[in-house]
Amino acid sequence: GQNIDQPTEMTATEGAIVQINCTYQTSGFNGLFWYQQHAGEAPTFLSYNVLDGLEEKGRFSSFLSRSKGYSYLLLKELQMKDSASYLCAVRDGNYKLSFGAGTTVTVRA
Amino acid sequence: ETGVTQTPRHLVMGMTNKKSLKCEQHLGHNAMYWYKQSAKKPLELMFVYSLEERVENNSVPSRFSPECPNSSHLFLHLHTLQPEDSALYLCASSQDEGLGSSEAFFGQGTRLTVV
Repeated sequence: GQNIDQPTEMTATEGAIVQINCTYQTSGFNGLFWYQQHAGEAPTFLSYNVLDGLEEKGRFSSFLSRSKGYSYLLLKELQMKDSASYLCAVRDGNYKLSFGAGTTVTVRA
Repeated sequence: ETGVTQTPRHLVMGMTNKKSLKCEQHLGHNAMYWYKQSAKKPLELMFVYSLEERVENNSVPSRFSPECPNSSHLFLHLHTLQPEDSALYLCASSQDEGLGSSEAFFGQGTRLTVV
């Protein structure tokens, strides 16, 4: 099966920066996704990486290193509304999408 | 609104009941998925349908039975469930194009409680 690891919880202050790491071991690789999920709501797509490097989208950036099986999601200028669970997901060689357990980020005033 | 609609949003059922979860997508996607989300656990892929054919069945117990009558609709039929089946059931869709990179769009989920 697939193995996707990310920290369980992180806490940061409003206006700060938080980096959520994700490591994975999969059979083949066809892209890595980050999703945001607020309590009681559906996961929503944040970012996609398939080549090594950094993808920036406003306050959110995502980085990928395929050789290391590693990604991170960087959240800048944190806002209270960013308190949510952040899910790392990897599409394997058979295009199956598997998820990590999610990282709960709590933003404090 | 993600373009993927699930009904009902909440469901309480007894262990001897039979019920169905419904998912409809308005995005023109060609693949649909059922995921189970239990507290503190990763999203678990249950079933994948691509072009209305089941391409993945992740060792799911037979008390869960999927149905995909067309590319826009997906059902999950439930019977004789166990209390440990209580979870959030999420439907998703994507456009699978071989080497393409379509992200999955999720519905709001059905919160299922088995009593």
